[in-house]
Amino acid sequence: EAQVTQNPRYLITVTGKKLTVTCSQNMNHEYMSWYRQDPGLGLRQIYYSMNVEVTDKGDVPEGYKVSRKEKRNFPLILESPSPNQTSLYFCASSLTGMGNSPLHFGNGTRLTVT
Amino acid sequence: RKEVEQDPGPFNVPEGATVAFNCTYSNSASQSFFWYRQDCRKEPKLLMSVYSSGNEDGRFTAQLNRASQYISLLIRDSKLSDSATYLCVVRRYNTDKLIFGTGTRLQVFP
Repeated sequence: EAQVTQNPRYLITVTGKKLTVTCSQNMNHEYMSWYRQDPGLGLRQIYYSMNVEVTDKGDVPEGYKVSRKEKRNFPLILESPSPNQTSLYFCASSLTGMGNSPLHFGNGTRLTVT
Repeated sequence: RKEVEQDPGPFNVPEGATVAFNCTYSNSASQSFFWYRQDCRKEPKLLMSVYSSGNEDGRFTAQLNRASQYISLLIRDSKLSDSATYLCVVRRYNTDKLIFGTGTRLQVFP
């Protein structure tokens, strides 16, 4: 089944403890992206990647890192999480990042930082 | 002003009703348009792309008005299962940048 898989689904952690949220897609998509969703603010892009070894900042990259060493994987790293990073996170991929290529989303990671 | 704006709702409609949402965008260089559906605490899922000539998929009709810079979604014969938040998504011309609206919540009641 074609899908975007992210793990974990739920994560509670403490301030400053490094964490990684994994994301993997099996559709051979070139484009991958991370979003966070907060009430009243909608989906905001954190980082994106047009292809392997190519990553760029989105609208809210501060406090996050990503890597794209393989086409299928795009992990999100929080080196020193803070409470303002408590949010619902979505990984997404599309065949390309252009034109009418729609996004396919993972099922989300709800992160709480205390 | 937000680049993509939607009425947050909620729109409360009875089963069988017809309901329409609009979404306005401010960047005239916008190229591609989509409607996504998001159920509570779940991931957004593509409902339909929006084409210049308008397009229909079953009970759903999407239209684009470039002159007035808005897109619309019409749902006919509403079902209880249509209850969700509908996200308007716009891609700027020749870029990888997708801009999401904050969504319009629809609640269909029996």
